[in-house]
Amino acid sequence: DAGVIQSPRHEVTEMGQEVTLRCKPISGHNSLFWYRQTMMRGLELLIYFNNNVPIDDSGMPEDRFSAKMPNASFSTLKIQPSEPRDSAVYFCASSPDRRETQYFGPGTRLLVL
Amino acid sequence: AQTVTQSQPEMSVQEAETVTLSCTYDTSESDYYLFWYKQPPSRQMILVIRQEAYKQQNATENRFSVNFQKAAKSFSLKISDSQLGDAAMYFCAYRSPGGGADGLTFGKGTHLIIQP
Repeated sequence: DAGVIQSPRHEVTEMGQEVTLRCKPISGHNSLFWYRQTMMRGLELLIYFNNNVPIDDSGMPEDRFSAKMPNASFSTLKIQPSEPRDSAVYFCASSPDRRETQYFGPGTRLLVL
Repeated sequence: AQTVTQSQPEMSVQEAETVTLSCTYDTSESDYYLFWYKQPPSRQMILVIRQEAYKQQNATENRFSVNFQKAAKSFSLKISDSQLGDAAMYFCAYRSPGGGADGLTFGKGTHLIIQP
């Protein structure tokens, strides 16, 4: 079975541009999580969905960040406008349900110049 | 809020030897889940082992085992017969039992070096 799929794997953009990160969870998984990894803050939860509904977005840093899950097989994390401090690796993870083990995608390395 | 502490930023071990990575956590909950994830240079986060707090028996997965001390809030990972492929960052993670707090709280990680 395919694991969690993220695209793009690498993204370089200029400050002020809109960035969209994409995630396809493992088929049959009901919960989806977005994490961000930086040297300064480590791994931190941004938002998670259960059955396509956002449950906890308290980790979303500010209004420039938004996430959607229009269906069970697709989620996006959008940054508009992007800033250099948004540079990080963004991970998507999914689990069969909210209490089960989370399986991570390969991550998207974002660099904002 | 729960916190996870990994006090060893870096550890080094000779190939074939045994190494133990430390993790402590702070929580007021009685039921929760603990995990160790491995992150090799590829950046992929790979689950190593999982422990449910209500289980007294320590989890084991082949060469990987944990020492779970609930009263001490300690969750260490032991890697036996270390192999070169074990070289990676290792992250300890905590998850609440539910109720809307299902995300993982991670420690800062331990960089494990395997000396050939």
